[in-house]
Amino acid sequence: GQNIDQPTEMTATEGAIVQINCTYQTSGFNGLFWYQQHAGEAPTFLSYNVLDGLEEKGRFSSFLSRSKGYSYLLLKELQMKDSASYLCATLDSNYQLIWGAGTKLIIKP
Amino acid sequence: DAMVIQNPRYQVTQFGKPVTLSCSQTLNHNVMYWYQQKSSQAPKLLFHYYDKDFNNEADTPDNFQSRRPNTSFCFLDIRSPGLGDAAMYLCATSSRTGDNSPLHFGNGTRLTVT
Repeated sequence: GQNIDQPTEMTATEGAIVQINCTYQTSGFNGLFWYQQHAGEAPTFLSYNVLDGLEEKGRFSSFLSRSKGYSYLLLKELQMKDSASYLCATLDSNYQLIWGAGTKLIIKP
Repeated sequence: DAMVIQNPRYQVTQFGKPVTLSCSQTLNHNVMYWYQQKSSQAPKLLFHYYDKDFNNEADTPDNFQSRRPNTSFCFLDIRSPGLGDAAMYLCATSSRTGDNSPLHFGNGTRLTVT
């Protein structure tokens, strides 16, 4: 079957660094997305990885290891506005998106 | 700015009373999707259109229908809403299928069934 696992909830402090992990088992693999979703709003695209390694975009970085079926999203210099859910989603062999349930990130002052 | 717009943001309907949610886009994307998302759950794909070609997910209930009269507009019709249909409904677009084009989401319509 196809499965994506992420922690349900994480807490971090403003100004700190947090890593949100995602593990996946899918039928084929054509890349992995991270989306940010603020409460009551739609997901917004953060990153896409299809090759192994780290992709950096400002305060946010995303890492992929295809052999381990593993990705993480790294958020640096956390700000209160980063409080949101972070959704991991993979593209399977048919380019269908398989979504995780999301990790709710709570930022404390 | 090019965008995906959903109306209304909040919709209340009575049990069994048909309701229609709307979505429009100015991105000129070929593909439009409807997702259902319940609290703390992953978005669930209901169906999508590639141009006028309709693709229904196997587990989407018959209670849910969709129309796409033109490139810009797509509607979700819920024929007889039940209490279990209360959720956020997300419309999304992409330029293509079968590749890694990211989805562009509207702000969603939160449906309450009383």
